[in-house]
Amino acid sequence: ETGVTQTPRHLVMGMTNKKSLKCEQHLGHNAMYWYKQSAKKPLELMFVYNFKEQTENNSVPSRFSPECPNSSHLFLHLHTLQPEDSALYLCASSRGLAATGELFFGEGSRLTVL
Amino acid sequence: KNEVEQSPQNLTAQEGEFITINCSYSVGISALHWLQQHPGGGIVSLFMLSSGKKKHGRLIATINIQEKHSSLHITASHPRDSAVYICAVPNTDKLIFGTGTRLQVFP
Repeated sequence: ETGVTQTPRHLVMGMTNKKSLKCEQHLGHNAMYWYKQSAKKPLELMFVYNFKEQTENNSVPSRFSPECPNSSHLFLHLHTLQPEDSALYLCASSRGLAATGELFFGEGSRLTVL
Repeated sequence: KNEVEQSPQNLTAQEGEFITINCSYSVGISALHWLQQHPGGGIVSLFMLSSGKKKHGRLIATINIQEKHSSLHITASHPRDSAVYICAVPNTDKLIFGTGTRLQVFP
């Protein structure tokens, strides 16, 4: 138990569906992240929020839309996805930005796009 | 060439063996992270170190800043150590991850 909770753990969706992934932390951290992990590839940073403000969008397609309503919650809204978007999506949080502090990860949401 | 290289990519061991996983990086860093990912997907931070050596239970992490190299050692390995071990280094304000080393420890 790392203190970062992701839901749902598994999601199967069609290319025309709209769904959302949710991440929650009550560790008092100010920074939250979305990472994508595809098979045999390193973790790819998607988005960074620091004090609820988006500080990084790592050239992510607009079919992925993040939302950070407060420092404890982070969402990833999904629409019109492609089969190649199937991957494990990991949320993480840290007290400061990740370069300087320990990262705490959620269990991940495994997404399958049909 | 990746900025963070891990070796080996895959590793199998018998229970009780001493394990070493290596990480080399090409960027200048302030600290290096070792992470553990279990088959379910969740990732746990094992160590963050900027010099010398750190020990936690049967796990030991070392780093040589001049040589840009770090090692993760597992003493008296156990099947529950089976996981993917990932090293990550900061580059400006982002972490760059290695592709991971998949370890399987058999009884």
